[in-house]
Amino acid sequence: QVQLQQWGVGLLKPSETLSLTCAVHGVLLSGYQWTWIRQSPGKGLEWIGHIDHSGGITYNPSLESRVTISVDTSKNQFSLKLPSVAAADTAVYFCARRKLIPLGGGLDHWGQGTLVTVSS
Amino acid sequence: DIVMTQSPDSLAVSLGERAAINCKSSQSLLYYSNNKNYLAWYQQKPGQPPKLLIYWASTRESGIPDRFSGSGSGADFTLTISSLQAEDVAVYYCQQYYSVPHTFGQGTKLEIK
Repeated sequence: QVQLQQWGVGLLKPSETLSLTCAVHGVLLSGYQWTWIRQSPGKGLEWIGHIDHSGGITYNPSLESRVTISVDTSKNQFSLKLPSVAAADTAVYFCARRKLIPLGGGLDHWGQGTLVTVSS
Repeated sequence: DIVMTQSPDSLAVSLGERAAINCKSSQSLLYYSNNKNYLAWYQQKPGQPPKLLIYWASTRESGIPDRFSGSGSGADFTLTISSLQAEDVAVYYCQQYYSVPHTFGQGTKLEIK
C-alpha cells in the first residue's frame, strides 16, 4: 500500500527557510514523478514542481528562483526547501505522487498536508 | 500559464440527482500525438488532501465509483456525478498537465439541496 508521510516545521518567521520532507512507503521512487503542491485561501491549489528518482526536476516558473526540490533514493524520500519565506507563503503544503504520462499523469497518492504559517 | 476556469463556483443538488461541473481552459489540452486530453479531476473533502477521480479527461481512476464520469475535449470539460450521494459533498477541482505550471481551477463546492 502506497503511503506518503510528510513532516516539517509549521511556524516560521519572515525570511526563514521552509523545509519539508516526504517519505514514500510501499513503492520505490523510480517510475513516478514526486510533486509538491500548496493550497492557500487566496491562491487555491498551486503546483510547485516535481522531481523524478534520477533528479530530473521541473519547477513552477513563478517559484523557480526560490524553490529547491531534491530526492534521496537511499531513504526513499524527497524534500522541498523555500528560503526567505513571507506571509504569502503561508499555506498547506502537500506532497504527491504523479503517474508518468503513459499511465495517465494524474496525482494518485497524496501526503496528509502540512500547514505552514509565516508570521512575525 | 494556462488558466483553468470552473463553473459554477458552488452547486446544490438533491440526493439522487445529477450534478455537472464545468472546466474551461485558456488553451487546448489535447495532445495530438497521442490524442489525449491532459486534464484531471480531483475531489477534496475538509481536512483531507485532494483525491484523483479522473485523468485523461475521461478515464476513471481505479476504485472510483462509476457514477463519476468525465467528458469533453480541447478546452471544455465536464465532470458529471450521475446520482448524487451524501458522501459526494466536497470541493471539486480540475487540473491541466499539458504544460508547466500544472494549473488548477478555482474549485466548485458541491452541496446537498
